[in-house]
Amino acid sequence: GAGVSQSPSNKVTEKGKDVELRCDPISGHTALYWYRQSLGQGLEFLIYFQGNSAPDKSGLPSDRFSAERTGGSVSTLTIQRTQQEDSAVYLCASVGSYEQYFGPGTRLTVT
Amino acid sequence: GDSVTQMEGPVTLSEEAFLTINCTYTATGYPSLFWYVQYPGEGLQLLLKATKADDKGSNKGFEATYRKETTSFHLEKGSVQVSDSAVYFCASNDYKLSFGAGTTVTVRA
Repeated sequence: GAGVSQSPSNKVTEKGKDVELRCDPISGHTALYWYRQSLGQGLEFLIYFQGNSAPDKSGLPSDRFSAERTGGSVSTLTIQRTQQEDSAVYLCASVGSYEQYFGPGTRLTVT
Repeated sequence: GDSVTQMEGPVTLSEEAFLTINCTYTATGYPSLFWYVQYPGEGLQLLLKATKADDKGSNKGFEATYRKETTSFHLEKGSVQVSDSAVYFCASNDYKLSFGAGTTVTVRA
């Protein structure tokens, strides 16, 4: 069946521009995570959506980062006024029973 | 909150050597535990999992046992291959998913 998809797969943007990253989770999964992985680093938790509950935003690094999840399905991560340190791979994970399924990621490069 | 601590790398081994990567967790409840693997240039893949105490997850020759008494989930493989070179992440899922920092493993022929 269909897995988790993310778009775009690669995004190059100029410093100061806004970007939107999209995640299409697996149908029926109620929980969704956003992580980022900088080159050679581990996974940094960003935000967690669970059903209709208020999202856990404790991992967002600054107020330039925001995310929403519409209709309990598709999620969009928005980064405003991008900085070079925002360059990373942004990963989305869709959560089923006991298992998380990761998308292929969006590689963001801020020049 | 919940957290995962795993052995720092990098780890370099010769082919057919024994591999252990230590992982311990803290949790208020009874989390499910996972090992993920990221091969060079690829995305994260689930390697194995265990959902309750004393469960043993296994896959591709790797094993890990959920030890509640020591809050551990150490990853082991008896005889590694060059193709096992990757970054390995331990993770726990209680209220939310928490990852360790990752351990880079390099296996030399």
